[in-house]
Amino acid sequence: DIQMTQPPSSLSASVGDRVTITCRASQSINSYLNWYQQKPGKAPNLLIYAASSLQSGVPSRFSGSGSGTEFTLTISGLQPEDFATYYCQQSYSSPFTFGPGTKVDIK
Amino acid sequence: EVQLVESGGVLVQPGGSLSLSCAASGFTFSYYWMSWVRQAPAKGLEWVATIKQDGSETYFVDSVKGRFTISRDNAKNSLYLQMNSLRAEDTAVYFCARDEFGYDTASWTFDYWGQGSLVTVSS
Repeated sequence: DIQMTQPPSSLSASVGDRVTITCRASQSINSYLNWYQQKPGKAPNLLIYAASSLQSGVPSRFSGSGSGTEFTLTISGLQPEDFATYYCQQSYSSPFTFGPGTKVDIK
Repeated sequence: EVQLVESGGVLVQPGGSLSLSCAASGFTFSYYWMSWVRQAPAKGLEWVATIKQDGSETYFVDSVKGRFTISRDNAKNSLYLQMNSLRAEDTAVYFCARDEFGYDTASWTFDYWGQGSLVTVSS
């Protein structure tokens, strides 16, 4: 199985900050990488697919980049509603594994 | 509007059985692969099972193979997860999710999710 890591597990930021979240795969997954946002008690919400494609309806302050084994999710101008946990997920091979998540909280 | 509504989550004893349901609306259910994804308390997300549009193919994470069955009834727009021989480590919120294949990127996503149903396995 492909292992996904997301260092660090949490980070603190302020409204308006530019935030970068990292995801690493244990082997190359080309660009088959998705990003989800999850708020407490809620279902995950798809933000980015295929590493850099913005899901319909997602604000343009979210962007994704990377390929192979290293990926990043960037939030340009953090908003109050963006404080949440972010998960990466590979769709290169089954089982489609998720990273452990990075929690973004208020500094 | 796409909606997925799970039901059936309860407290069950180790070794017991339970069936979850997911009612789908707002899209043509029979066109889509569907999946179950779970989240143990204060933990991350884990894909559990996936089923093809017509039910002819199913896939499971290793930890549930032989114990869980995924099925669907396209006439009722419903997805099911039959869970047998339950263990404490199966305790989680179980989400129903729609699989979407993006032909532009040739990639799979879980593009819509239900609100989840809590399964607790404890004596």
